[in-house]
Amino acid sequence: AQKVTQAQTEISVVEKEDVTLDCVYETRDTTYYLFWYKQPPSGELVFLIRRNSFDEQNEISGRYSWNFQKSTSSFNFTITASQVVDSAVYFCALSRRPIQGAQKLVFGQGTRLTINP
Amino acid sequence: DTEVTQTPKHLVMGMTNKKSLKCEQHMGHRAMYWYKQKAKKPPELMFVYSYEKLSINESVPSRFSPECPNSSLLNLHLHALQPEDSALYLCASSQDGRASNQPQHFGDGTRLSIL
Repeated sequence: AQKVTQAQTEISVVEKEDVTLDCVYETRDTTYYLFWYKQPPSGELVFLIRRNSFDEQNEISGRYSWNFQKSTSSFNFTITASQVVDSAVYFCALSRRPIQGAQKLVFGQGTRLTINP
Repeated sequence: DTEVTQTPKHLVMGMTNKKSLKCEQHMGHRAMYWYKQKAKKPPELMFVYSYEKLSINESVPSRFSPECPNSSLLNLHLHALQPEDSALYLCASSQDGRASNQPQHFGDGTRLSIL
């Protein structure tokens, strides 16, 4: 079965603090892809990053960094020096191999992040 | 600005009305998706079109009827909806729905309220 768990329902921090959002996944596929999306109050899901199952290199993009550990089936997301604009709901998602000829994303429940000034 | 455009942004309709949600993308993507999202929940997949053919219907009630007139457009026709259908409806597209590595790009959604 495919499953994504984001155990942190809500996180609230003060601006400039570092914050890590956890994501744990389950899959029997040997090839799979993991994604992080940001959903601000406007509603749109914004694609942040994709990682494939064969690439365990960590990635950094500005204040954002991602730590992929296959051994623990985790794909955690860290925001350094958080800003109020980072406030949003963040979803981790797993892409399974196409079924019925089309991609399906399995989403975690999401983590609502609030950055207080 | 999002590259997937959804109209209208907001829609209020009665249970006997017929309305349509529209979605458009000009990225040359060949897969398009409809999702339903309730408050404080992740998006739930409803339909997937791949190369203008319906590939996935996640057992959605027939009061929701999707249509893909061409590779850039996706419609969702609504008829005789129930109050529990009130939600945010998101459209997404990806380069090729047959590939699992493609990120999906989402629109801003239509906030639907059923009276």
